Amino acid sequence: AQKITQTQPGMFVQEKEAVTLDCTYDTSDQSYSLFWYKQPSSGEMIFLIYQGSYDEQNATEGRYSLNFQKARKSANLVISASQLGDSAMYFCAMRELSFGNEKLTFGTGTRLTIIP
Amino acid sequence: DGGITQSPKYLFRKEGQNVTLSCEQNLNHDAMYWYRQDPGQGLRLIYYSQIVNDFQKGDIAEGYSVSREKKESFPLTVTSAQKNPTAFYLCASSTLTGGDQPQHFGDGTRLSIL
Repeated sequence: AQKITQTQPGMFVQEKEAVTLDCTYDTSDQSYSLFWYKQPSSGEMIFLIYQGSYDEQNATEGRYSLNFQKARKSANLVISASQLGDSAMYFCAMRELSFGNEKLTFGTGTRLTIIP
Repeated sequence: DGGITQSPKYLFRKEGQNVTLSCEQNLNHDAMYWYRQDPGQGLRLIYYSQIVNDFQKGDIAEGYSVSREKKESFPLTVTSAQKNPTAFYLCASSTLTGGDQPQHFGDGTRLSIL
């Protein structure tokens, strides 16, 4: 079974609108970390936001927030007031801490396109 | 500025040839990682190292080799045994102080077969 599932291969969103990128995960660990990365067309991976499995509050970083629903095993990324520069691939990733913190498992990504 | 430097940006390999991708970091991170990314795919772990002179295989280590002689450097060699090496290769590093620490990535090397 896939450990990280991103069901939206591509999304088109009007500039200034909010967008939600879906991510569900599969783990039997009680302790894990979830990350979102942005990959522009240039290729580098840019860390956006982190959520720990024991965090009670949803993480926020500027225009990015993580809608963490532990019982549903979902960790959706919300981008508010989208900008043209938000057009990129977005990857959800998980680190399962009982196995040590050496490995991130990535989803297949969502390509977000912001329309002017 | 602190960061991760990968070189070269583009690399071409002839059949039967080994090539080495460079990764250097000045973030004083203990752990370093190599990932492979194919078109339309997420990243897959090739090798990782948490300490100098030690490294572990990831999910797709066959046809690749690494070394970690210095904390700052983690070169990846794509050997002739890797039959489908065309991909985008990303190097990353992180601290080992907790599961909340993100991995930081270089700009990648794009490898193609001539």
